[in-house]
Amino acid sequence: LAKTTQPISMDSYEGQEVNITCSHNNIATNDYITWYQQFPSQGPRFIIQGYKTKVTNEVASLFIPADRKSSTLSLPRVSLSDTAVYYCLVVPYSGNTPLVFGKGTRLSVIA
Amino acid sequence: EAGVAQSPRYKIIEKRQSVAFWCNPISGHATLYWYQQILGQGPKLLIQFQNNGVVDDSQLPKDRFSAERLKGVDSTLKIQPAKLEDSAVYLCASSFRTSGTYEQYFGPGTRLTVT
Repeated sequence: LAKTTQPISMDSYEGQEVNITCSHNNIATNDYITWYQQFPSQGPRFIIQGYKTKVTNEVASLFIPADRKSSTLSLPRVSLSDTAVYYCLVVPYSGNTPLVFGKGTRLSVIA
Repeated sequence: EAGVAQSPRYKIIEKRQSVAFWCNPISGHATLYWYQQILGQGPKLLIQFQNNGVVDDSQLPKDRFSAERLKGVDSTLKIQPAKLEDSAVYLCASSFRTSGTYEQYFGPGTRLTVT
């Protein structure tokens, strides 16, 4: 499985857009990029997943360049409730593969 | 749709004691996972079930940890005897796809403190 690297922590003010970049240099052809969010005292929650270019849902956008060696999770206009740990994962398109988590990025949103 | 249920939410035991955690996955989800999350780290897989069969238990400390998923639904994770380093949050997750990319649904976890 491709190893991922992301910043340990980030701070942002409310209302700002937050971009968290993840590098995955050894991503394989059949791998997808997936992001999970974890609040204190809760299990991780799926946010978004993509293969290439751009994916957008009601929570976030995911930007993946053509070489797919990195990806950027974009959270528009963050609020205090977006304070959480965000994990970038590379998931093979093979089904039922356990998720391999790194330490994630701890996002702190400040009023 | 009900989420993944886990109990208890918190447990405090002394070292060398035994403990068991219970998980009820989302209805219809064939795949069930147990993860261990130590403070400050991401979750680490302990064991994966497909229905009631074990798919991957390579990271399960089998000398003290055991898990079962009878009838392919609920699952129990046991630690006997517990060590101080077992203090962590134990997360259960489930998913339903058998191929392709998929989303895992996590329960709230059981926070274990070993003293």
